[in-house]
Amino acid sequence: DGGITQSPKYLFRKEGQNVTLSCEQNLNHDAMYWYRQDPGQGLRLIYYSQIVNDFQKGDIAEGYSVSREKKESFPLTVTSAQKNPTAFYLCASSTTSVSGNTIYFGEGSWLTVV
Amino acid sequence: DAKTTQPPSMDCAEGRAANLPCNHSTISGNEYVYWYRQIHSQGPQYIIHGLKNNETNEMASLIITEDRKSSTLILPHATLRDTAVYYCIVRVASAGRRALTFGSGTRLQVQP
Repeated sequence: DGGITQSPKYLFRKEGQNVTLSCEQNLNHDAMYWYRQDPGQGLRLIYYSQIVNDFQKGDIAEGYSVSREKKESFPLTVTSAQKNPTAFYLCASSTTSVSGNTIYFGEGSWLTVV
Repeated sequence: DAKTTQPPSMDCAEGRAANLPCNHSTISGNEYVYWYRQIHSQGPQYIIHGLKNNETNEMASLIITEDRKSSTLILPHATLRDTAVYYCIVRVASAGRRALTFGSGTRLQVQP
């Protein structure tokens, strides 16, 4: 089945460590996104990528990094510079059709700093 | 992207229609209206979208006013599984430049 796969579902990180969240899609979508969601809050955009080897910062990019070496993959690294990384992270992808490009989401990854 | 305004919460009886309103008075001519919902601890689920005509699919109906300044998502026969936070978003079709901006949404509680 086509979709977006995020892994791991749950991740614990010690303070000062970097951690990478995986996101893979087999929908043949050009655009991919990373969002952060804190409890009871809406989604905030971290990074997005419109095409391979290109990405742009979103509203809260500080302390995060991404890469887009393949169309199917858009991993997110949460670095030690991110002061409050405990959150729910969502990866998404979309087409760029002219009829309204629907964004589809993965099931999310919970990151907890211990 | 245009700003949207939604009520923070709504209740609906099981089996009845749930009508969720959204105001987007600053919407521009090339912006679509999208609806998503999010069940606790899951990724948002796409429901429906439209430009200016009313739309219907297997999940819901979308009614957009003629001036496009507001819309209503209709779940015709709400079930307990429809309890979720519903997000109304407006966005240009030429996707790539900007991603979705999610607000706080409407928390719909379907009551048995």
